[in-house]
Amino acid sequence: DTEVTQTPKHLVMGMTNKKSLKCEQHMGHRAMYWYKQKAKKPPELMFVYSYEKLSINESVPSRFSPECPNSSLLNLHLHALQPEDSALYLCASSQARLAGGGDEQFFGPGTRLTVL
Amino acid sequence: AQSVTQPDIHITVSEGASLELRCNYSYGATPYLFWYVQSPGQGLQLLLKYFSGDTLVQGIKGFEAEFKRSQSSFNLRKPSVHWSDAAEYFCASRNTNAGKSTFGDGTTLTVKP
Repeated sequence: DTEVTQTPKHLVMGMTNKKSLKCEQHMGHRAMYWYKQKAKKPPELMFVYSYEKLSINESVPSRFSPECPNSSLLNLHLHALQPEDSALYLCASSQARLAGGGDEQFFGPGTRLTVL
Repeated sequence: AQSVTQPDIHITVSEGASLELRCNYSYGATPYLFWYVQSPGQGLQLLLKYFSGDTLVQGIKGFEAEFKRSQSSFNLRKPSVHWSDAAEYFCASRNTNAGKSTFGDGTTLTVKP
């Protein structure tokens, strides 16, 4: 299984709602990532989890809260979002080898988020 | 700091013609280099990667790329483009595992019939 799955595919939420995005992989990867992508722009890194620990937070506002319950799952909890947070949210995973070599990221199809 | 530059925002080629998408990176050591393709509303699919060794790497869908240290480039090529290749292409670099990837701004490829 070389797939990263993301649910839901589409999400529409109001600014007072609380919702969560889910990402799952069963490739045994130990690094997982959240990216935000606006139209016609490259993905922007938000968070990196390495061995279930948050290793990178790219100064993301606290209305985005990541969670890594286990090595296969990654969640992004959303609360009090703004319309400018509307974007495609991409999850990715990689092997995170500690020494030597490199690792490629496998991306999920994304969740299209619209904040009204 | 790492940076990746894709000089061409938009490229149009005729179906069957050859293609070259440019990518330049800025980093002291040899980074890990990647090319991704993204269709509208979809995730990114890895086309190919360079870590070390042979500087000409083969990827999926008939794509190849050549790493040239002297030019800090990692250009993507395909000898004959198909209409289904129309998409957004991103070049990316990474300097550590599980670290931050740096993406170029992307090149939009349009294929004329």
